Amino acid sequence: ETGVTQSPTHLIKTRGQQVTLRCSSQSGHNTVSWYQQALGQGPQFIFQYYREEENGRGNFPPRFSGLQFPNYSSELNVNALELDDSALYLCASSLDRQDEQYFGPGTRLTVT
Amino acid sequence: AQSVTQLGSHVSVSEGALVLLRCNYSSSVPPYLFWYVQYPNQGLQLLLKYTTGATLVKGINGFEAEFKKSETSFHLTKPSAHMSDAAEYFCAVSSGGYNKLIFGAGTRLAVHP
Repeated sequence: ETGVTQSPTHLIKTRGQQVTLRCSSQSGHNTVSWYQQALGQGPQFIFQYYREEENGRGNFPPRFSGLQFPNYSSELNVNALELDDSALYLCASSLDRQDEQYFGPGTRLTVT
Repeated sequence: AQSVTQLGSHVSVSEGALVLLRCNYSSSVPPYLFWYVQYPNQGLQLLLKYTTGATLVKGINGFEAEFKKSETSFHLTKPSAHMSDAAEYFCAVSSGGYNKLIFGAGTRLAVHP
């Protein structure tokens, strides 16, 4: 059984640019959650997608947006990148909304 | 609102010594509580969780934690540290489910010979 995968592993962008991060959920999982982990901090909940619909959002501005596809993979899009967006972005999938979350290895985004 | 406080951003122990990582939470509803471990350049791995029932929960790699409602605590312990336990540990809370996890700032555990 394949676990949660994320791409790319690392990414360097310039302030003001846009970025798309991708997540493939574990087989059979219909829910994907995204977290931002800044250096030296714990992960912060960005949003969750359940069956292609947003199912809860944390305290992040609208320039953070997402998508979930029919195969339950997901994208995180960030527009107008700021230096503070530099972080490890973690994706987690779960069998359903209230089930245990399994985390991917993350995408490290650096904004210069 | 829920929150998690992890006391001590860095903990250092000798190999074979007791590991104690402290976590206090705040929640207006019965919480679900979790401990995750993160090794360098990796994602989070669930060590153990408390949902309902028995307040002493056992996890992987010899770790356990006890839910104490009166103290709003969920401290993580391991009787004997191993070099491979060196990692970052995160305590997390959610409101009666797994969907939105609120994490503490983390505790970096160092194990020295």
